[in-house]
Amino acid sequence: AQSVTQLGSHVSVSEGALVLLRCNYSSSVPPYLFWYVQYPNQGLQLLLKYTTGATLVKGINGFEAEFKKSETSFHLTKPSAHMSDAAEYFCAVSDNTGKLIFGQGTTLQVKP
Amino acid sequence: DSGVTQTPKHLITATGQRVTLRCSPRSGDLSVYWYQQSLDQGLQFLIQYYNGEERAKGNILERFSAQQFPDLHSELNLSSLELGDSALYFCASSVVARPNSPLHFGNGTRLTVT
Repeated sequence: AQSVTQLGSHVSVSEGALVLLRCNYSSSVPPYLFWYVQYPNQGLQLLLKYTTGATLVKGINGFEAEFKKSETSFHLTKPSAHMSDAAEYFCAVSDNTGKLIFGQGTTLQVKP
Repeated sequence: DSGVTQTPKHLITATGQRVTLRCSPRSGDLSVYWYQQSLDQGLQFLIQYYNGEERAKGNILERFSAQQFPDLHSELNLSSLELGDSALYFCASSVVARPNSPLHFGNGTRLTVT
């Protein structure tokens, strides 16, 4: 069965600093991986996805993630944090029915 | 705007009652998913429908049921409500029920059971 582990329930960075949110997955088949962002009182918005092909995936709002099979990781990064990036971020893996299995989420705090 | 519409946005009800949550998927999407989000359990998959038929079932209680109608909208019915059912319930849709098809989420229905 697929699963996802997000390391760190809370991450705090200064504005302009690098953002790194960690995600490790477990899957018996080649995984399809996703990052979603949830702003307060809103639904989840797709940031980026990895299906096949290039292992470095670029998403919206300047975020990107790298699929590393050897490390079973799919960490999310952004070179320079903005105040507007403060939100909760979810890593997810898809199973063969298309449903997503989510990690527990990481709350990103951006300090001025 | 994801194109997925959920109603109502907020629902306050008493223990023992029954409620219905409604979801309209994005135009053209055939698959609908229901999730429950709570502080202690995180995002839990409940149930999935594809073109009117149940496709997958997750941690859905027997007191909960769902269906997808011919016009592809879906309803989640929660009965004999308990305090612990208070949560944010999300509906999501995708074009097809395949692993590489991203889910698009509505803004959720916040259920408060008192």
